[in-house]
Amino acid sequence: NAGVMQNPRHLVRRRGQEARLRCSPMKGHSHVYWYRQLPEEGLKFMVYLQKENIIDESGMPKERFSAEFPKEGPSILRIQQVVRGDSAAYFCASSLGPPSEAFFGQGTRLTVV
Amino acid sequence: GESVGLHLPTLSVQEGDNSIINCAYSNSASDYFIWYKQESGKGPQFIIDIRSNMDKRQGQRVTVLLNKTVKHLSLQIAATQPGDSAVYFCAEKGTSYGKLTFGQGTILTVHP
Repeated sequence: NAGVMQNPRHLVRRRGQEARLRCSPMKGHSHVYWYRQLPEEGLKFMVYLQKENIIDESGMPKERFSAEFPKEGPSILRIQQVVRGDSAAYFCASSLGPPSEAFFGQGTRLTVV
Repeated sequence: GESVGLHLPTLSVQEGDNSIINCAYSNSASDYFIWYKQESGKGPQFIIDIRSNMDKRQGQRVTVLLNKTVKHLSLQIAATQPGDSAVYFCAEKGTSYGKLTFGQGTILTVHP
């Protein structure tokens, strides 16, 4: 019974490139959340998705960031034209439903050089 | 807006002592609270949760207390072990559907 799987674990991109972060939820979970964590800070909510729907994207920057959770396949967080300030750990979590316990993946650590 | 904050950023204890980590929240409409443990280089790990209709919940070596009157949450760890050393976050689910708001975190260091 695999947990939430994120890949890659580490990603290095040059300024201006695109970053694609993948998240496969736990088996049976149809709710996915993305969070960003800067060093020595708490996690900040970015977006909440169900299969094929964005439920809440209030934490997502309006420019350059997008997320999807297709009917088949993992959830993708996409960052276009990355800048140094995008360097952070990005965590995905999944749950059976909004009030239920959310399980986190190990994160993707994005470094923009 | 919603915010969750912690009183103490660091806590050092001796092995075998009991630890208490505190958290203040500002959204009185929050109805679900979770404590997470995060070890270096890893994702947050669920420890224990509590709903707003309760004021205490116990797990294995951990107890969460909720005081809605003063909007305060605490995590008690009994007989703290070196393996408990990590950053501990409280999180609350407020009025936003599904979204968790995390506190800044408390670094717990357990000395053998």
